[in-house]
This record gives sequence, C-alpha cells and structure tokens, in this order.
Amino acid sequence: QVQLVESGGGVVQPGTSLRLSCTASGFTFSGFAMHWVRQAPGKGLEWVAIISRDGSSKYYADSVKGRFTISRDNSKNTVYLEMNSLRAEDTAIYYCAKEEAPMVHGDHWGQGTLVTVSS
Amino acid sequence: VVMTQSPLSLPVTLGQPASISCRSSQSLVHSDGNTYLNWFQQRPGQSPRRLIYKVSNRDSGVPDRFSGSGSGTDFTLTISRVEAEDVGVYYCMQGTSWPTFGQGTKVEIK
Repeated sequence: QVQLVESGGGVVQPGTSLRLSCTASGFTFSGFAMHWVRQAPGKGLEWVAIISRDGSSKYYADSVKGRFTISRDNSKNTVYLEMNSLRAEDTAIYYCAKEEAPMVHGDHWGQGTLVTVSS
Repeated sequence: VVMTQSPLSLPVTLGQPASISCRSSQSLVHSDGNTYLNWFQQRPGQSPRRLIYKVSNRDSGVPDRFSGSGSGTDFTLTISRVEAEDVGVYYCMQGTSWPTFGQGTKVEIK
C-alpha cells in the first residue's frame, strides 16, 4: 500500500535553515508529482510547493517563494523541502502528499513532521 | 481563488444528515471541462484524508453516506447519516488553479 513518511522536523531559530524529507513506497514514485502542504497549530491547511514527476517543474506559494526549495530524487523515492530564512510564521506540521493526476491532488498523505521556529 | 465554507461549526445528532457548503471566488471549471473540487476529512490528531475528488467521485474505502455535489462556484458535501467516527474538520479544496483550501468546518456530535 502507499506510504509516505516525513522526517527532518524540529525546533530551529528564526533565520536558520532546515531540510525536510518524505520517503515514498507502495507506488511508482517517478510517475507522480509530489506536494508539500502545511498546517500551523490549530489552523487550516496551506499548499506550500509542488514538483513535477521528473523534477523539471516546481511551483511555490507566495508565502515561501524565494525561501523554500522543493526537489526530488527518484532513485531514492524521496522528495525534499529545503527551508531557508525561517520565520515564526513557518511553524507548522508539514505534510507531503501525492498527486493522483494533474490537478487531482492529495490522494495519499504522510503523517507529517512538526517544524517549530522560535528563539 | 478564495474558498469560503459554511458553516464553520456544525453540531449534529447521530443518525441525522449534515451538509457543508463551499463557494469559490471564481468558477472552478477548467479549460479541459473538468471541475477540480475535492473534499478532505481531518479527524482529531490525524492527517487529512481525501473523501471526494472532482466534485462527486468518492475515494476508495469512503463510506457511501458521504456524497459531493455542485457546479461552477457552489459545492456541497453531504453526510446522509452522521456517525461518531465522522467527527473532525472538513475542508473543500480546489485544484483548478494554484491549490487553495476552505477555512474548514468542524463537525461535532450534539
């Protein structure tokens, strides 16, 4: 069955960097776009970044553009989110999600990893 | 595209129906003719789970008491008979352009 396992979260100071990973299994990873979605404590869901199947196309929310970078390694079945210049408002649970088909998002989600940005 | 849900809180009686409305700030009909409107359920302490995709298609394993309807800018998620396991927050989400979610509707048992 499809499994998505995120890792790399933690407590960091404002202005620093962190890299999240999401390792996939149970499907042909290279055949699907992958997404990162976040949820601030007690708040709703916000789409953060999307990467195409081969990694050639990347899209970002305005709130993270220029600070976050999504990438993938299809040989390792893993998608990454490099987060730089972190701010307090980036504090959230970060989920990776699989795209079923173009514009048909989120058929499977990971359990999430918590990022806390605090001094 | 701004997604607006109502109500934001929905107390329901077990066994009774429940409906959640979702309106988009512009039409969700894509140039390919499809409407990319999904519904997600998030139970307390869990990750989101997709229930409905493209307005009315139920995901595998989703009970048939859940149904989706609507078109253009107005959509509805209906639970025909609420069960205790349906407690949680429900989100509509559009994928026609950059993905955006509604604010969420908290379903609780009266």
